[in-house]
Amino acid sequence: DAGVTQSPTHLIKTRGQQVTLRCSPKSGHDTVSWYQQALGQGPQFIFQYYEEEERQRGNFPDRFSGHQFPNYSSELNVNALLLGDSALYLCASTRGSRNYGYTFGSGTRLTVV
Amino acid sequence: TQLLEQSPQFLSIQEGENLTVYCNSSSVFSSLQWYRQEPGEGPVLLVTVVTGGEVKKLKRLTFQFGDARKDSSLHITAAQPGDTGLYLCASGSSNTGKLIFGQGTTLQVKP
Repeated sequence: DAGVTQSPTHLIKTRGQQVTLRCSPKSGHDTVSWYQQALGQGPQFIFQYYEEEERQRGNFPDRFSGHQFPNYSSELNVNALLLGDSALYLCASTRGSRNYGYTFGSGTRLTVV
Repeated sequence: TQLLEQSPQFLSIQEGENLTVYCNSSSVFSSLQWYRQEPGEGPVLLVTVVTGGEVKKLKRLTFQFGDARKDSSLHITAAQPGDTGLYLCASGSSNTGKLIFGQGTTLQVKP
C-alpha cells in the first residue's frame, strides 16, 4: 500500500520563477494538506484541500496556490519565488477534512537561488 | 493562535543516556501528537495523547500529557544512535483538521 508520494524530490529554481510541486495521497485518503518546513524548524501549515476546494489557509501570501484533482492528488504552485521560499515542502493526507491523523510524504526540497 | 514551545531545541548525548523533551502551549491542547523526523524524510507519527494525565509507552519512549492539557513530555530511556532525529510535537484540532507544530528538538545520540 503506497503512502504519500511527492515529486520531485529536489528542485532548484531561480528567484522570480514559478514552481509546481505534486502530491499523490495515501490510498483511501481524500484530504491533502501542504506544509512548509524551514531547516531545523517545525512545519508551517500552508493550506488544506478537500473535495477539490481549498478549505483552510495558513498565513501565506497569495503567491502560494494549489489545486486538488478528482483523484484526490494535489499540486502546490508558488509564483514569483523568493530566496526565503527555500524549504522542504511536505504533503500530508488523511480521510475527511476534520481528521488530523495525517500521513506525511518525504517532501520536496526546494532551493531558490 | 495556539503556540507550541519545545525545549530544548538541541540535545547531544551519548548512547545509553536518558533524556526528556518538553512541549508547552499557551492554551489547552485538544489533543497532542509527537512525531519523529529523519533527515530527508517527512514526520512519522509516534503517538497521539488526548486525555489529561495520560501516559503512553512505546518501547523505550514514554509520553506524558499534563493534567491541565497544556504541556507534554517525551522521555527516552537508554538512547540509541537510531533515536537521532528531529522530534516534533503538534496540536491537532478535530474542528479543522489542521496541525500546529512546535519548532522541534534536534536530538543527536553519539555511539
